Amino acid sequence: EAEVAQSPRYKITEKSQAVAFWCDPISGHATLYWYRQILGQGPELLVQFQDESVVDDSQLPKDRFSAERLKGVDSTLKIQPAELGDSAMYLCASSPFQAQETQYFGPGTRLLVL
Amino acid sequence: AQSVTQLDSHVSVSEGTPVLLRCNYSSSVSVYLFWYVQYPNQGLQLLLKYLSGSTLVKGINGFEAEFNKSQTSFHLRKPSVHISDTAEYFCAVITDDKIIFGKGTRLHILP
Repeated sequence: EAEVAQSPRYKITEKSQAVAFWCDPISGHATLYWYRQILGQGPELLVQFQDESVVDDSQLPKDRFSAERLKGVDSTLKIQPAELGDSAMYLCASSPFQAQETQYFGPGTRLLVL
Repeated sequence: AQSVTQLDSHVSVSEGTPVLLRCNYSSSVSVYLFWYVQYPNQGLQLLLKYLSGSTLVKGINGFEAEFNKSQTSFHLRKPSVHISDTAEYFCAVITDDKIIFGKGTRLHILP
């Protein structure tokens, strides 16, 4: 069964450093999502792509976060500089096309900022 | 603003007994409703979803949920839980093409 791939699974960094996370969605899925999940909370949408275009990045802290999906396939989420409050699980999900369709989640990247 | 409220942050029940996980949402327009499960250090997995039609939805692992429009609820239940159901459960709502997750309910199954 096809899965969403994410790497790395775990990342420890010091504050003010740059970090990057990678996501490879299920083949053929047009929509890709990045979420941040703080411990004890539900996932919070950071950015949504439809193919290579950003559909929603209203909750993305654009002063330090950036995301791209240049060829409409895999995607990278970057944080620069990282802050202590960025420690969280970063989840990637994909869906075939429409918003009401099931989202398939990757295993996530757990980030710890020291 | 739309919101999703999971009324219990933690639920503990004994193995073999029924469980009810409650979810209420605020929306005056059409919604799509989902329940996801998250096992430790893993991503979320879909349990079931309501898009339209029958208000009683059956999902994987013996779970079911009932959509109640008048009460704006989508409670999840299972008649007899197993130790492997220990996980965190998230209710989610899609409205206006935006998805909102609840804060989750941590389910602990006692042997």
